[in-house]
Amino acid sequence: DSGVTQTPKHLITATGQRVTLRCSPRSGDLSVYWYQQSLDQGLQFLIQYYNGEERAKGNILERFSAQQFPDLHSELNLSSLELGDSALYFCASSVGGLGGPGNTIYFGEGSWLTVV
Amino acid sequence: AQTVTQSQPEMSVQEAETVTLSCTYDTSESDYYLFWYKQPPSRQMILVIRQEAYKQQNATENRFSVNFQKAAKSFSLKISDSQLGDAAMYFCAYRSMDSNYQLIWGAGTKLIIKP
Repeated sequence: DSGVTQTPKHLITATGQRVTLRCSPRSGDLSVYWYQQSLDQGLQFLIQYYNGEERAKGNILERFSAQQFPDLHSELNLSSLELGDSALYFCASSVGGLGGPGNTIYFGEGSWLTVV
Repeated sequence: AQTVTQSQPEMSVQEAETVTLSCTYDTSESDYYLFWYKQPPSRQMILVIRQEAYKQQNATENRFSVNFQKAAKSFSLKISDSQLGDAAMYFCAYRSMDSNYQLIWGAGTKLIIKP
C-alpha cells in the first residue's frame, strides 16, 4: 500500500460526459501528479501540483483540468469525454516539488476510466 | 531533453534464475535520480529501487539490484532468484534536476517468468 488513495477505482461513462477523479496523497506529501496510461502504453504525464499551486503541465488536453485543495487532495476533471480517453489514470505524490528530485514518487492504484 | 530507452520489449526467465533488464538514458545533467518501477497485471505502479547519480555504490533491495554505469548512461536491473510474482512490466524512469523534477519514462519491458 503506497498510501496514495484514488477514487473511484473503476468508472464507465458515455461519450460527451464529464467525470471527476479524486486523489488523496500520502500523509505529509505536498506534491500531486496525474498520469494517464492507455492500454499497453507507458505513462503520460498530465499535470503536477505543489501545495495547491500548479507546478508543471504535460500533455494535458484542454478538456481536462485539475486542482489541489487546501487539504492537499486533488481532483482531475475530464469533460466532453471521447472514446480515446479510456485509460488508467494514476495519481502520485511526493514530499517535495522543491524538496529535491530524490523525493520518490509514490503511485496510487489508479482509476480505470472506460468511455463507451 | 532527457530520454530513457528500454530496448527489450519483452524478456523471459526461468523461475529461480537471474535476469537483467536494460535501461539507457541520455542527459547532460550530472546530478539526477533513476528509478525502476514494476507494474504487475493489476496495473498498480510499484517502486522497486532507486539510485542517486552521485552515489557510485549500486542500489540493492533484497533480490533486486542495479548496475549503474554513469559514464555509459546505463542503469540495468538485475532480479535474482526470479519468482512467479515478479512477472510484470518494468519501467525505468529518470528524474531531472530541473525545477519541476518530472519523471521521464522508458517504454517498459514485459518480464515473463516460466515455471
